[in-house]
Amino acid sequence: EAGVAQSPRYKIIEKRQSVAFWCNPISGHATLYWYQQILGQGPKLLIQFQNNGVVDDSQLPKDRFSAERLKGVDSTLKIQPAKLEDSAVYLCASSLELGGSYEQYFGPGTRLTVT
Amino acid sequence: QKEVEQNSGPLSVPEGAIASLNCTYSDRGSQSFFWYRQYSGKSPELIMFIYSNGDKEDGRFTAQLNKASQYVSLLIRDSQPSDSATYLCAVNLGFSGGYQKVTFGTGTKLQVIP
Repeated sequence: EAGVAQSPRYKIIEKRQSVAFWCNPISGHATLYWYQQILGQGPKLLIQFQNNGVVDDSQLPKDRFSAERLKGVDSTLKIQPAKLEDSAVYLCASSLELGGSYEQYFGPGTRLTVT
Repeated sequence: QKEVEQNSGPLSVPEGAIASLNCTYSDRGSQSFFWYRQYSGKSPELIMFIYSNGDKEDGRFTAQLNKASQYVSLLIRDSQPSDSATYLCAVNLGFSGGYQKVTFGTGTKLQVIP
């Protein structure tokens, strides 16, 4: 079974530029999560999709961040314009949530550096 | 009060000893609990989950859940240097508003000294 795929793995941009991240979850997983993890901290949920609908985006800075999940599969997360404090690892995870299985499986992450 | 709390560490244990990692949570309605291991520069990987009070063992790992006291712990027996990592506790707060809400703690850094 293929794992969660993310790209790019690394990105360096200047502040005020825009950037987009892509995630392909494990096949059949209904729920997809985007997390921001700043060095030394735990993952912070940005947005949670169930199939292609948003169920939680309460911590997403909506003035600069946006996300979509097309056809309930792939997802993209965009930042426009980026700020220095957006430097972090962006993790995508997915879970099956069928039959009470709520374990999350993470992709390798995208390390974003904003200069 | 944070929803999920962990001591950030570092927790240092000698090789071969038992490492004990603890996590407390605030919501009594929490239903399931997960431990993830995160090596430096890598993404979290699931190592254990537990739903019921008591102990759950998997190899050298034992998860312990006490819902009355609202804590969950992870014991690592015969600790190895390769166990050195940050251990994240995650709590499923249950079905709320139509979806399952999971919250992560900040993690405990474990160092196993050879």
